[in-house]
Amino acid sequence: KAGVTQTPRYLIKTRGQQVTLSCSPISGHRSVSWYQQTPGQGLQFLFEYFSETQRNKGNFPGRFSGRQFSNSRSEMNVSTLELGDSALYLCASSLFRTSGSGETQYFGPGTRLLVL
Amino acid sequence: GIQVEQSPPDLILQEGANSTLRCNFSDSVNNLQWFHQNPWGQLINLFYIPSGTKQNGRLSATTVATERYSLLYISSSQTTDSGVYFCAVLAYSGAGSYQLTFGKGTKLSVIP
Repeated sequence: KAGVTQTPRYLIKTRGQQVTLSCSPISGHRSVSWYQQTPGQGLQFLFEYFSETQRNKGNFPGRFSGRQFSNSRSEMNVSTLELGDSALYLCASSLFRTSGSGETQYFGPGTRLLVL
Repeated sequence: GIQVEQSPPDLILQEGANSTLRCNFSDSVNNLQWFHQNPWGQLINLFYIPSGTKQNGRLSATTVATERYSLLYISSSQTTDSGVYFCAVLAYSGAGSYQLTFGKGTKLSVIP
């Protein structure tokens, strides 16, 4: 079974531009979560999508948005890029929505975004 | 929100040595996972361990939920064990939602 895939793997943008990242979950998985990893803040939760609906959102500005399609693939968009948005963006998939019983999340290889 | 602290932040080991990594969390959690991030950034699941002890080859983990900590043991370390080890806890974040909160990680370097 193929793992989580993310495209593109590397991206260079300039301040003020926007960017769209893509994540394809493991086949059959319906939940996709996005995380930002920076040296200063570490790994931080961005949002979770399940059944095409955003179910949970971390503490990030409205410039960060996402969506999920009927095939569970997800995209994340960052508008008006800032230097501080330079990071590794990871997506993770799981069978069901993250719940109290816990559901193992499987991570993709990430997209490295550099904002100049 | 919940706080997750990992120690030590950095660890250098000679190949073949054993080590213990610690994860402390500030509140009750529904679950806990250990991950290994390789030098290319890929996060690999190691253990899904809300309580008790699990073993997988040279790695084992113990979570004592009542005392709010978890330990990851690496025995007979190999250079391929190098990377960053993260502890992540699953906790309620409000409005019927749960999310993973990660610690800052332990960077392990195994030298030949």
